[in-house]
Amino acid sequence: QKEVEQDPGPLSVPEGAIVSLNCTYSNSAFQYFMWYRQYSRKGPELLMYTYSSGNKEDGRFTAQVDKSSKYISLFIRDSQPSDSATYLCAMRVGETSGSRLTFGEGTQLTVNP
Amino acid sequence: DVKVTQSSRYLVKRTGEKVFLECVQDMDHENMFWYRQDPGLGLRLIYFSYDVKMKEKGDIPEGYSVSREKKERFSLILESASTNQTSMYLCASRPPVGEQFFGPGTRLTVL
Repeated sequence: QKEVEQDPGPLSVPEGAIVSLNCTYSNSAFQYFMWYRQYSRKGPELLMYTYSSGNKEDGRFTAQVDKSSKYISLFIRDSQPSDSATYLCAMRVGETSGSRLTFGEGTQLTVNP
Repeated sequence: DVKVTQSSRYLVKRTGEKVFLECVQDMDHENMFWYRQDPGLGLRLIYFSYDVKMKEKGDIPEGYSVSREKKERFSLILESASTNQTSMYLCASRPPVGEQFFGPGTRLTVL
């Protein structure tokens, strides 16, 4: 069983829809949670970075962490065609040098005009 | 802005060739990482380094080596390239505390 599970999709939504992307994990020691966006043939870019449980909002994006359920989510409001990309969740136990990220497989999202 | 650059966006090599992939970051980060990304397998860590001349194996180090002679530069070496090393290679860097940033990637094809 993978340490981080993420539905690879593909997910297709109409423009303006609310998108919900999710990951579950098994390691209760994870404390730092990230979402990356990756456009085709490009490197991942960091979207959201959160510590422990709770919500974080940045414009149209909201990241939620529920450590009791070992579940993280990324919500995209008023989705745009430019949001079409693969979204990767990632998490880490600590912040010490050498600590490693564990990634989900990524969810491919298409927002249709 | 943090900048992580990789020496090539696209690279085509022949089986058996020695291949060097270079990564440079300009933010004085201690930690640097090499991943490969394949459809259905996601991102897999090959090697990482937390200091100059230090290296640690990741999940799939076989067939690869690395070099970190200077803090800003982390090189991935394929000693004898094989077709199963055709992949997207991603470099990343991170300070001791904070966010991890990726380079644009090198798409390597081994014929």
